[in-house]
Amino acid sequence: GQQVMQIPQYQHVQEGEDFTTYCNSSTTLSNIQWYKQRPGGHPVFLIQLVKSGEVKKQKRLTFQFGEAKKNSSLHITATQTTDVGTYFCAGPRGSGGGADGLTFGKGTHLIIQP
Amino acid sequence: ETGVTQSPTHLIKTRGQQVTLRCSSQSGHNTVSWYQQALGQGPQFIFQYYREEENGRGNFPPRFSGLQFPNYSSELNVNALELDDSALYLCASSFLRLRDAKNIQYFGAGTRLSVL
Repeated sequence: GQQVMQIPQYQHVQEGEDFTTYCNSSTTLSNIQWYKQRPGGHPVFLIQLVKSGEVKKQKRLTFQFGEAKKNSSLHITATQTTDVGTYFCAGPRGSGGGADGLTFGKGTHLIIQP
Repeated sequence: ETGVTQSPTHLIKTRGQQVTLRCSSQSGHNTVSWYQQALGQGPQFIFQYYREEENGRGNFPPRFSGLQFPNYSSELNVNALELDDSALYLCASSFLRLRDAKNIQYFGAGTRLSVL
């Protein structure tokens, strides 16, 4: 079945440093979503990417979708303590584009040292 | 706040027992999905209901079953509980648009199940 892999599993950064997490799929994706889960919380939707090579920005967060639509990345510039949490990517389970559910990666845990 | 509520928040059961978890979807949503999240892991898709019909199922045994009601609330039932079923169970509702498969998940706070 389809697999979504994320690296790194853990990332320690000093506050103010940049952070990047990478997501790779075993199959071509029609779209990819990103979620953030704060410690003790639940996943919260951040963004969906659909087009090959798409780049979207949300303040200090930059999301990219690869040209082959098999990989994606999330980059945070100048991390702040509020960025602490686990970042997940999620892709459609099957060929239905997500209509029959999503497959989540294992996430990247971002730990920020003040 | 997502408007998705789950109950109970915590639950302790013993091996072999049965459990029912409940979820109320966000108003206007037509789809509910259930996920199992083990500590330190990503959410694992259990199944999804669209307009009261199961339209997707992950790699979970038949003792995991569900229902979606006309008001789009939902239940997750797990029979013959095993120790490995201990996890956070997350419900997510969405407004599924089949024409473009837009399926953004709005999660509830989850039910923490402990099986002893």
